[in-house]
Amino acid sequence: EVQLVESGGGLVEPGGSLRLSCAASGFTFSNYNMNWVRQAPGKGLEWVSSITDSSRSILYADSVKGRFTISRDNAGNSLYLQMNSLRADDTALYYCAKVRNSAWDFDYWGQGTLVTVSS
Amino acid sequence: EIVLTQSPATLSLSPGERATLSCRTSQSVSNYLAWYQQRPGQAPRLLIYDASNTATGIPARFSGSGSGTDFTLTISSLEPEDFAVYYCQQRRNWPLTFGGGTKVEIK
Repeated sequence: EVQLVESGGGLVEPGGSLRLSCAASGFTFSNYNMNWVRQAPGKGLEWVSSITDSSRSILYADSVKGRFTISRDNAGNSLYLQMNSLRADDTALYYCAKVRNSAWDFDYWGQGTLVTVSS
Repeated sequence: EIVLTQSPATLSLSPGERATLSCRTSQSVSNYLAWYQQRPGQAPRLLIYDASNTATGIPARFSGSGSGTDFTLTISSLEPEDFAVYYCQQRRNWPLTFGGGTKVEIK
């Protein structure tokens, strides 16, 4: 059974940093591209970042480019999101999502980890 | 950036009725469109990929159609668990983008 379990969220002041983690199991993690998608409270879904299986290609939404860094550890079956210079509008539930085969849509999602940016 | 516009924003229907949800894209995405269901307090769930292919484990009452810029998600007969928010997503171009969602609520 595919499982994605996010952690690392919490309350942080504007300008602060957090590192999110996603522990993957139930599939061959190193074979799949991975993603972070976020959802602000009461709002819709927003793609944040994607990383290919080998980490060769990495993409970011303009809203986080230069502030967030996605990475992965294939040996440890983990995905990460380093978030710096956090702003109030980064407040959201952050989901880790696995791609469907080699296509950039998402067949499995974690339950999310909540990031709140507030003073 | 490809903008996805979903309509209506809210659909009020009764169990057993047919639901028709629309997603329009600001430029052609070919058939590279997916639909997701999100129940309250839950993560999104993939329903349809590549416009018309049903994802694993999804009931046959869900179907998708369309290509280019106009897409439709149809739920043939609403079950109680289908009352939720539905999102479309395109993978034709970067950045990946989602529609704003359609809430299907009980009338």
